[in-house]
Amino acid sequence: GENVEQHPSTLSVQEGDSAVIKCTYSDSASNYFPWYKQELGKRPQLIIDIRSNVGEKKDQRIAVTLNKTAKHFSLHITETQPEDSAVYFCAASAPGYALNFGKGTSLLVTP
Amino acid sequence: DAGITQSPRHKVTETGTPVTLRCHQTENHRYMYWYRQDPGHGLRLIHYSYGVKDTDKGEVSDGYSVSRSKTEDFLLTLESATSSQTSVYFCAISEILAGRYNEQFFGPGTRLTVL
Repeated sequence: GENVEQHPSTLSVQEGDSAVIKCTYSDSASNYFPWYKQELGKRPQLIIDIRSNVGEKKDQRIAVTLNKTAKHFSLHITETQPEDSAVYFCAASAPGYALNFGKGTSLLVTP
Repeated sequence: DAGITQSPRHKVTETGTPVTLRCHQTENHRYMYWYRQDPGHGLRLIHYSYGVKDTDKGEVSDGYSVSRSKTEDFLLTLESATSSQTSVYFCAISEILAGRYNEQFFGPGTRLTVL
């Protein structure tokens, strides 16, 4: 089955800096790669996703890149703000299969 | 938030007792999932359903069973709860249209403590 590895497990940045979280996946058939943000005590919520037919997608301060050959994808957050502090999860799925999640990255943005 | 509710939201029970958690959706989505979330483990899939009466096991299904008799309800049962099943349980729903996976929406979660 699919195995998703996520790094780093914790990340601390200064407000205004960029943050990058990286994930690798094992199943070359995976074609859907969402990223979820989970604030303390809340449910995970989708912030951005990418499908295997594109290499990059941006939405304001967040972007995701996908390298299908290397089987890795990354989340980039620019101009970080304290409200970006949360746990971020990457996930991957092949057609017809459930999402497999990484173990999460706890991001702390300090003022 | 998508129309997903979970009940109960909090439960404390004793080892060996049966426990049933309920997930209810109003989105008419075909796919429903149960995850557990534990520190250091992320979200792990317990069971999922791809239609009424159609279910399958996930990564950590031992000790859990599920049922789906209606599109809107997906029940997770711990037949005999153990302390290792203390966790936060999330239900999720999604739809797959034209072979394309669409966004998975999560419920608010149920915090279960087994003493």
